[in-house]
Amino acid sequence: DTGVSQNPRHKITKRGQNVTFRCDPISEHNRLYWYRQTLGQGPEFLTYFQNEAQLEKSRLLSDRFSAERPKGSFSTLEIQRTEQGDSAMYLCASRWDTGELFFGEGSRLTVL
Amino acid sequence: TQLLEQSPQFLSIQEGENLTVYCNSSSVFSSLQWYRQEPGEGPVLLVTVVTGGEVKKLKRLTFQFGDARKDSSLHITAAQPGDTGLYLCAFSPMNYGGSQGNLIFGKGTKLSVKP
Repeated sequence: DTGVSQNPRHKITKRGQNVTFRCDPISEHNRLYWYRQTLGQGPEFLTYFQNEAQLEKSRLLSDRFSAERPKGSFSTLEIQRTEQGDSAMYLCASRWDTGELFFGEGSRLTVL
Repeated sequence: TQLLEQSPQFLSIQEGENLTVYCNSSSVFSSLQWYRQEPGEGPVLLVTVVTGGEVKKLKRLTFQFGDARKDSSLHITAAQPGDTGLYLCAFSPMNYGGSQGNLIFGKGTKLSVKP
């Protein structure tokens, strides 16, 4: 399968803990995006990488959130000191330049 | 303020029925995209509409872009249980001084087709 891969698929954590999600994009794609989706909403943009450079961050991305794409390949999204409001589906997507955007299956976070 | 208004929010129909869902805005778009998202999955691109008045067909799905490029509709003929999912419209703010290619999504229409 050469699609966008995300893991873990599900994560349950206690409030205050740190969590990290990983995204492996389609290999030749230079652009990688993170979105968050809560119940009853469409995906909301969080951040965007072109190769290894993080070019944009949404206001939704508080100081507790950090994303990296160290070698321009896989990316990680870390949430520190999780809060119940962080419970959501975290979606990763990739594309080559302005081509079609391909989404992964998402990582669902539940903060207790 | 929601840039894209989708209606209805929920739709439950029987197999074989026809339906139309809408995506409306007060803004003019250079293009709009429609995605379908199944439970537990990421969205999958169905179509991109670019020209005002454009109609695109994908099997039983017909997509239309309004003449003024402010709205779009998706019509499904003879719906099947496999059509169940969340239908999202989206646009890229890139052409409006926004970032390089991120998408702004509507809230979606959640469709349930019962056998």
